Amino acid sequence: QKEVEQNSGPLSVPEGAIASLNCTYSDRGSQSFFWYRQYSGKSPELIMSIYSNGDKEDGRFTAQLNKASQYVSLLIRDSQPSDSATYLCAVRGSGNTGKLIFGQGTTLQVKP
Amino acid sequence: DGGITQSPKYLFRKEGQNVTLSCEQNLNHDAMYWYRQDPGQGLRLIYYSQIVNDFQKGDIAEGYSVSREKKESFPLTVTSAQKNPTAFYLCASNLGTANTEAFFGQGTRLTVV
Repeated sequence: QKEVEQNSGPLSVPEGAIASLNCTYSDRGSQSFFWYRQYSGKSPELIMSIYSNGDKEDGRFTAQLNKASQYVSLLIRDSQPSDSATYLCAVRGSGNTGKLIFGQGTTLQVKP
Repeated sequence: DGGITQSPKYLFRKEGQNVTLSCEQNLNHDAMYWYRQDPGQGLRLIYYSQIVNDFQKGDIAEGYSVSREKKESFPLTVTSAQKNPTAFYLCASNLGTANTEAFFGQGTRLTVV
């Protein structure tokens, strides 16, 4: 079982729709969860971080965390073509190791 | 401006050569990371370091080596033992404690010629 799993996609949504991206993780003691966006050929940029159960909203983005079910999700409302990118889920493991593990990423395509 | 600087942006290596990728940060971050990304894939952890003079292997450390002699620097050497080194290499850093975000350099694209 991979430590952090994402559906690689591509996920295709029409412009203006809600895009839903999901991620599961194996380490039940994981503490910190992040969503990064990566455009082709570029380095990842942080979109959202979430540390406690529930929802966290920032503009068109909402991160959701459910530690009991070991999943974290990202919702993008009013999707725009400029949102087309690969979205990477990252999880910081338990303990003091500081290990930061990424999923394989989900490619999102927003069609005009 | 604070940030993470990777150099060079593009690097070509002949088979059998060792090459070193540079990563420098002026964010006063304790933790630094090296990842490898292959086309269409996610990031795989090579090595990480939480403190000067200490580092741990990630999931794909074979054929790579690192050092952490200074807080701001974490160079990665791709040795000749790494049989398929062509990839995009990303360096990241954060404060090293829980609930802190990691920030990335612009990456180095390594190609074996």
